[in-house]
Amino acid sequence: DAGVTQSPTHLIKTRGQQVTLRCSPKSGHDTVSWYQQALGQGPQFIFQYYEEEERQRGNFPDRFSGHQFPNYSSELNVNALLLGDSALYLCASSLVGQDYEQYFGPGTRLTVT
Amino acid sequence: GENVEQHPSTLSVQEGDSAVIKCTYSDSASNYFPWYKQELGKGPQLIIDIRSNVGEKKDQRIAVTLNKTAKHFSLHITETQPEDSAVYFCAASKGPGYALNFGKGTSLLVTP
Repeated sequence: DAGVTQSPTHLIKTRGQQVTLRCSPKSGHDTVSWYQQALGQGPQFIFQYYEEEERQRGNFPDRFSGHQFPNYSSELNVNALLLGDSALYLCASSLVGQDYEQYFGPGTRLTVT
Repeated sequence: GENVEQHPSTLSVQEGDSAVIKCTYSDSASNYFPWYKQELGKGPQLIIDIRSNVGEKKDQRIAVTLNKTAKHFSLHITETQPEDSAVYFCAASKGPGYALNFGKGTSLLVTP
């Protein structure tokens, strides 16, 4: 049973650039949530996608956007990168209406220079 | 919004001792309280959770207690082992599918 996978593992970008991160949910799951984890902090909720639409959103600016595809995989896009966007970006999947549990992937480590 | 506070931020115990981590939350609508373990370079892994209709739950050496009146919940690890060393996060949410609100984490070190 494949768990949550994310790509790439690491990447380095320059301030002002744009980045796209990818996530494939655990087999059988239909909902994807994205979290940002700054160094030494707990994860913070960015947004959640279900049925290809953004269902919930945390306190993040519009520079953060996402997409969900028909196969339930998801992308997180960040525009106009700032140094403060450097963090571990985590994807979590779940099954709506059935499951309290959210399963996390290994994350993508983004460094903005 | 929900505010989850977690204490202590660091905890060092000797192998075989017990470890206790405590969290408080602010939103009385929260009814799901998971605990995650995060090892270096990995994503958080769910180790135990509790829902608001239950006061205590145990799974081998790990137990969680919930006091909804006081809005606090705790993780108890007994007979700690070096492989328990990791960062532990508590979280709270309003239910299935809702966003998880995390505490800032507790770095647990178990020394042989």
